[in-house]
Amino acid sequence: DVKVTQSSRYLVKRTGEKVFLECVQDMDHENMFWYRQDPGLGLRLIYFSYDVKMKEKGDIPEGYSVSREKKERFSLILESASTNQTSMYLCATATPNYGYTFGSGTRLTVV
Amino acid sequence: EDQVTQSPEALRLQEGESSSLNCSYTVSGLRGLFWYRQDPGKGPEFLFTLYSAGEEKEKERLKATLTKKESFLHITAPKPEDSATYLCAVRRNYGQNFVFGPGTRLSVLP
Repeated sequence: DVKVTQSSRYLVKRTGEKVFLECVQDMDHENMFWYRQDPGLGLRLIYFSYDVKMKEKGDIPEGYSVSREKKERFSLILESASTNQTSMYLCATATPNYGYTFGSGTRLTVV
Repeated sequence: EDQVTQSPEALRLQEGESSSLNCSYTVSGLRGLFWYRQDPGKGPEFLFTLYSAGEEKEKERLKATLTKKESFLHITAPKPEDSATYLCAVRRNYGQNFVFGPGTRLSVLP
């Protein structure tokens, strides 16, 4: 089974801090994704990556950046955290037949 | 604009009371409709993929069906452990990403 591991389950950060969310997958998948999930808004795509050093903006990239230096690792960066970035963040890989495999999520609170 | 809606937003059932969840979509070029289950505080877990109208998939008490405009997730004789949020998503024939619905929050009471 594909495993997608997010480094933190819960994070509390202060406004203005630079925040790194890490995601690692163990199945050599090319495609990796970062979503945020908010009540009433569902899952919204922030960024995705087709391959190492490749990245594409999703629907809500503002305030975020990503890094993919190695195929197995996809990092989401909040350059200057704000309270409206308090959310559940989900990393995923994807295959054509099974859609996404998600990590367990990181619940980020910005105070 | 590609869109996925789900109804109802929340559903409370008694144990054993069968029901259906709806996922309606408007998307140009469907490449698959996916159902996921999400437990509180966890990432969604894959349940089914449907590709064409008329297709059905089953797993334990769940059965997913697909028409040209919507999909249903039928839950037969549910148990409390079926309580979760059920998400559907469609994959488009362009790009790499999926469009998710907002989910249906199911509660099954003993």
